[in-house]
Amino acid sequence: QKEVEQNSGPLSVPEGAIASLNCTYSDRGSQSFFWYRQYSGKSPELIMSIYSNGDKEDGRFTAQLNKASQYVSLLIRDSQPSDSATYLCAVRGSGYSTLTFGKGTMLLVSP
Amino acid sequence: DVKVTQSSRYLVKRTGEKVFLECVQDMDHENMFWYRQDPGLGLRLIYFSYDVKMKEKGDIPEGYSVSREKKERFSLILESASTNQTSMYLCASTLTGRTGELFFGEGSRLTVL
Repeated sequence: QKEVEQNSGPLSVPEGAIASLNCTYSDRGSQSFFWYRQYSGKSPELIMSIYSNGDKEDGRFTAQLNKASQYVSLLIRDSQPSDSATYLCAVRGSGYSTLTFGKGTMLLVSP
Repeated sequence: DVKVTQSSRYLVKRTGEKVFLECVQDMDHENMFWYRQDPGLGLRLIYFSYDVKMKEKGDIPEGYSVSREKKERFSLILESASTNQTSMYLCASTLTGRTGELFFGEGSRLTVL
C-alpha cells in the first residue's frame, strides 16, 4: 500500500513569514513528486513538480526533495493571505502509475 | 484556456437511484480520472482511463463503473446509489507521459438521501 503522509494542520504563519509544508512517502521507488494547492470550495491546481534530489525554485515557492529520506517539502517565502489554502502532496511511483495523494495540510496566513 | 467540465455541480439523489456524472475535457488529453474527496480521507482514485473504451480500477472502484466512448468524455456511473457515496467527485485529465500534471474539473457534489 503506497502511502503519502502530511500533517493536517492548520499551519498558521504571519504574513511575510516562510511557510514550510512537509510530506513523507512510503514507496521507495517513487519517481515524481507534485504539490497541488486547493482553495476552499475549489478543485486542486498544480503548483510545483520535482523529479530529482535537491531544490527547485519557482517564484516564492521552493520544492525540496530527499529521496534517501523519502521526504519532500514545499517552502513558501513571503507568505500572503492569498496563500491560505490546503496543500496536497502527490507522489507517482515507478513506471506508468497513477498519483497517490496525501490528505493535505491547511495553511493559514494571517495579515 | 484549458478546461475540464463536469456536467453537474450539485446533485441530490435517493438511495437506489442510478446516477451519471459526466466529464468533458477540451485539451485532447489521453488520460482521464475520477476521484472522490472526503474530509479526513483526502483524494481517492475510483477509476481511470488511458484511452477510448479502456478503463482501469483505482483504489476504491466498488459500487462504481465508468464509460469512455469518446476521447474527450469520461462518465462515472453509480448503478445503485447509497448514502456512503455522498461525496465530492472530481474529474481530471492529463497527457500521456505527464500523469502527475492533472487538470481538475470544478467538482460535482453528490448527496444521496
